[in-house]
Amino acid sequence: GAGVSQSPSNKVTEKGKDVELRCDPISGHTALYWYRQSLGQGLEFLIYFQGNSAPDKSGLPSDRFSAERTGGSVSTLTIQRTQQEDSAVYLCASSLRRTSTNEKLFFGSGTQLSVL
Amino acid sequence: SQQGEEDPQALSIQEGENATMNCSYKTSINNLQWYRQNSGRGLVHLILIRSNEREKHSGRLRVTLDTSKKSSSLLITASRAADTASYFCATDGDTDKLIFGTGTRLQVFP
Repeated sequence: GAGVSQSPSNKVTEKGKDVELRCDPISGHTALYWYRQSLGQGLEFLIYFQGNSAPDKSGLPSDRFSAERTGGSVSTLTIQRTQQEDSAVYLCASSLRRTSTNEKLFFGSGTQLSVL
Repeated sequence: SQQGEEDPQALSIQEGENATMNCSYKTSINNLQWYRQNSGRGLVHLILIRSNEREKHSGRLRVTLDTSKKSSSLLITASRAADTASYFCATDGDTDKLIFGTGTRLQVFP
């Protein structure tokens, strides 16, 4: 695709419900990142993938958060039993090569999650 | 935890003035990147500077890096109203992931 695509762009859910956020990276990009940004704050690293494996899950806030990536492409971030503090913009980014810190990240427009 | 901290947190200037933002980080790095974010959504890459470089230019942007002080600065010359955005530095901290700072909110008034 032309860019990183995230869906939905906005999600409103009730506390306690599960949500799935989707990210379609740029075709051929092997590295994929998830970040979270609370209102007016910086980006909080959650997890990154190289291919389908996740070498670093250290940023996931709790065991309610999980992520997977299939076929080296689409990734899904799942939040179970959502809490109000999960409300934030969830940003996905991808980069071309495995060692991505020497390359720029391409970001999607994010999913605004609101937990009522 | 945040690797980088930008300073100032917010900056307001008039069109035509220069804007300088600073980033300090904690651990050794392989490279440092600057990104721009409009309206709280997706970020756009501006420039990457490697640890063995001291200065880099891209159009009206000038980035410097001082590894001895663990700091970088982003200078936007002849600013425009369209430069209004949040600016973030990102470092790898000698890891495989990019960690972003807290950002500087720049407001450029016409």
